[in-house]
Amino acid sequence: DGGITQSPKYLFRKEGQNVTLSCEQNLNHDAMYWYRQDPGQGLRLIYYSQIVNDFQKGDIAEGYSVSREKKESFPLTVTSAQKNPTAFYLCASLRDRLSNQPQHFGDGTRLSIL
Amino acid sequence: DAKTTQPNSMESNEEEPVHLPCNHSTISGTDYIHWYRQLPSQGPEYVIHGLTSNVNNRMASLAIAEDRKSSTLILHRATLRDAAVYYCILRDVASGTYKYIFGTGTRLKVLA
Repeated sequence: DGGITQSPKYLFRKEGQNVTLSCEQNLNHDAMYWYRQDPGQGLRLIYYSQIVNDFQKGDIAEGYSVSREKKESFPLTVTSAQKNPTAFYLCASLRDRLSNQPQHFGDGTRLSIL
Repeated sequence: DAKTTQPNSMESNEEEPVHLPCNHSTISGTDYIHWYRQLPSQGPEYVIHGLTSNVNNRMASLAIAEDRKSSTLILHRATLRDAAVYYCILRDVASGTYKYIFGTGTRLKVLA
């Protein structure tokens, strides 16, 4: 079955450390997204990519970085500049940016600070 | 930004219908209304989406007001597995980003 795989499911970061969250999709979708979710809140957009080798900042991009070297992969790095990284991170994909079809979501990575 | 307004929480008895409302007065003419639901520690799950006409699928029905400023997600017979946070979502078409804008959703509690 096609879908989105996020790994790891749980991740711990030490102070001053960068960590990378993996997101892989086999849906052949052009567009991919990273969201952050804090307890009791909705999802906020961190970064999105409409096509390979292109990505755009979302609403809360500070302290994060991404790459899109392959269509199926969109890793998110949480840098030491992100002072409050503890959250639930969700990756999603869409056939293309203009599509009215629904986004597909992964099962998320929960990041905590040691 | 295109925004939605939903009640924070609702309750329903098992086996009874549930109507989850959403207001979206700033919706653009070509914007679809999407509904997702989310269980704790899981990614959002697609429920239904529509443009103007009422829509039905195996999970739910979507009733869209004639002026498109509001919609209602209808679960015909609530089960315990339907307890989740339900999000009514628009895309930000006006800015050209086409990003999805999530609100805080409605937490549905289903009583046995």
